[in-house]
Amino acid sequence: GEDVEQSLFLSVREGDSSVINCTYTDSSSTYLYWYKQEPGAGLQLLTYIFSNMDMKQDQRLTVLLNKKDKHLSLRIADTQTGDSAIYFCAESNTDKLIFGTGTRLQVFP
Amino acid sequence: DGGITQSPKYLFRKEGQNVTLSCEQNLNHDAMYWYRQDPGQGLRLIYYSQIVNDFQKGDIAEGYSVSREKKESFPLTVTSAQKNPTAFYLCASSSVSRQPQHFGDGTRLSIL
Repeated sequence: GEDVEQSLFLSVREGDSSVINCTYTDSSSTYLYWYKQEPGAGLQLLTYIFSNMDMKQDQRLTVLLNKKDKHLSLRIADTQTGDSAIYFCAESNTDKLIFGTGTRLQVFP
Repeated sequence: DGGITQSPKYLFRKEGQNVTLSCEQNLNHDAMYWYRQDPGQGLRLIYYSQIVNDFQKGDIAEGYSVSREKKESFPLTVTSAQKNPTAFYLCASSSVSRQPQHFGDGTRLSIL
């Protein structure tokens, strides 16, 4: 069945770049998403990429998609303490989203 | 401002009791969803609705029920048949299915 995998933790220094990785299994995925969740809150849609794109940039965020390897990454430039959160990757090709387990990003001074 | 409102933020349930979680959206979205989130895990889909008066089971529908009588409202009832209801519940909506989903702030349900 469909599966989305992410590493559990990432720790970076403030000002450095963060790269959060995600792999998925469904080659027919139409959209791939990145969501951010702060403690006790809902999920905030950060960005998404259509499956026929390789890259999408939005201010400090860059999404890279390697369809051949079914690999998605989110790069956050100039990471700030406010970026500390859990980041979820999700895929969809049907009416449902399939979420990864989330990567907890910790930013230290 | 348009958005999704979930209430209450915190909810406590006694053994054998049904409780209903509210989800309202003013985004004029056709599709609405309910997810369950357990600590350290991703989101799992409980129910979803693509249009008024219609809904489908997700991956973990047992012990839950929903209704979709109005476009803007999609309440979730956690029944006494749900033996492990303690979790964070998230409601989402999208303009139509397969479009990006937008989330409410969640309801945390605990057992007394």
